[in-house]
Amino acid sequence: AQSVTQLGSHVSVSEGALVLLRCNYSSSVPPYLFWYVQYPNQGLQLLLKYTTGATLVKGINGFEAEFKKSETSFHLTKPSAHMSDAAEYFCAANSGGYQKVTFGTGTKLQVIP
Amino acid sequence: EAGVAQSPRYKIIEKRQSVAFWCNPISGHATLYWYQQILGQGPKLLIQFQNNGVVDDSQLPKDRFSAERLKGVDSTLKIQPAKLEDSAVYLCASSLGGRGSSYNEQFFGPGTRLTVL
Repeated sequence: AQSVTQLGSHVSVSEGALVLLRCNYSSSVPPYLFWYVQYPNQGLQLLLKYTTGATLVKGINGFEAEFKKSETSFHLTKPSAHMSDAAEYFCAANSGGYQKVTFGTGTKLQVIP
Repeated sequence: EAGVAQSPRYKIIEKRQSVAFWCNPISGHATLYWYQQILGQGPKLLIQFQNNGVVDDSQLPKDRFSAERLKGVDSTLKIQPAKLEDSAVYLCASSLGGRGSSYNEQFFGPGTRLTVL
């Protein structure tokens, strides 16, 4: 069964600092990978996705993630944190077609002024 | 394009009562999902529909939860009777779906926050 692990349920960074949110997946085949953001009292919004091709994926709001098959990782980064980035971030994986999407447990990002 | 609509946004009930949630997916999306998100956890898939057929309901507690997708468009999720541990946010999502899809990019509604007292 596929699983997604997010290291660190809470991450705090200073405004302007690098954001790094970690995600590792467990899958027998390279899955499709996603990062979602959830603001309070809202649904999930897709930040970026990896399907095939270039392993460095750029998303919205200045976020990017790199698929590393050898490390089974898909970490999310942003060079400079903004206050508006404070939210909960979920990594997810899907093996394609009708396979269900498996979500990680989420990482709450706090941005300190 | 309009997003995924859900209602109600909030619901408070007592244990053993019944409750129903409604979801209207994005027009043209064949696949509809219901997730349960307990505080501090990631979303857990309860049921997945492809048009009006069930693709996956392996994590749906069928003794108390039921769901249907009317005519392959709107969907309702019902809990009867509710338990304290059902307190969660219930998220609906939809995707284009179809066997030709290489992945399921899902679009989420705002969710319904259920509190069971």
